[in-house]
Amino acid sequence: LAKTTQPISMDSYEGQEVNITCSHNNIATNDYITWYQQFPSQGPRFIIQGYKTKVTNEVASLFIPADRKSSTLSLPRVSLSDTAVYYCLVGERNSGNTPLVFGKGTRLSVIA
Amino acid sequence: SQTIHQWPATLVQPVGSPLSLECTVEGTSNPNLYWYRQAAGRGLQLLFYSVGIGQISSEVPQNLSASRPQDRQFILSSKKLLLSDSGFYLCAWSVGENNWNEQFFGPGTRLTVL
Repeated sequence: LAKTTQPISMDSYEGQEVNITCSHNNIATNDYITWYQQFPSQGPRFIIQGYKTKVTNEVASLFIPADRKSSTLSLPRVSLSDTAVYYCLVGERNSGNTPLVFGKGTRLSVIA
Repeated sequence: SQTIHQWPATLVQPVGSPLSLECTVEGTSNPNLYWYRQAAGRGLQLLFYSVGIGQISSEVPQNLSASRPQDRQFILSSKKLLLSDSGFYLCAWSVGENNWNEQFFGPGTRLTVL
């Protein structure tokens, strides 16, 4: 499994754009990049997934360079409610293979 | 729509006592099911996953076990709890052979072993 490395924590003010970068140097050809968000005392929530280039949904954007060895989760205009732990995961989408591994994630604190 | 239930929400158990946590999923068929544990201040640790009734894969050797007696029911058990079993236990599901990366988590059970 490709190992991921993310910053342990980040701080941001309300209204700013936040970019969280994840490094995955050993990503395999069939691996997808997935991000989750977890609030205290809750289970993680799927945010976004991508394979290459850029993916955007109503919550965030995911930027993946051509070599796919890193990815950046972009949260536009964060609010206090975006304070959470964000996990970057890399793995295949097919069943029968080893499931995803959640690391310690990045703890984002949004300040008023 | 799909929903996932876990109970109990919180549990305090003495060392050496048994454990049974239940997870059920509604609104989907033949889901992939997962049990995770999150110790205080740490990331999620995958404990077990199941692709079908009676099919259990263990990721971490420990004194816990899992069973899947029905398609949408996943049970986590222990015969004798250890202090190190304390944590936040999460059940999750995904559907389809090509979508293991998109998992949906339940509300969790916070277990304290004293």
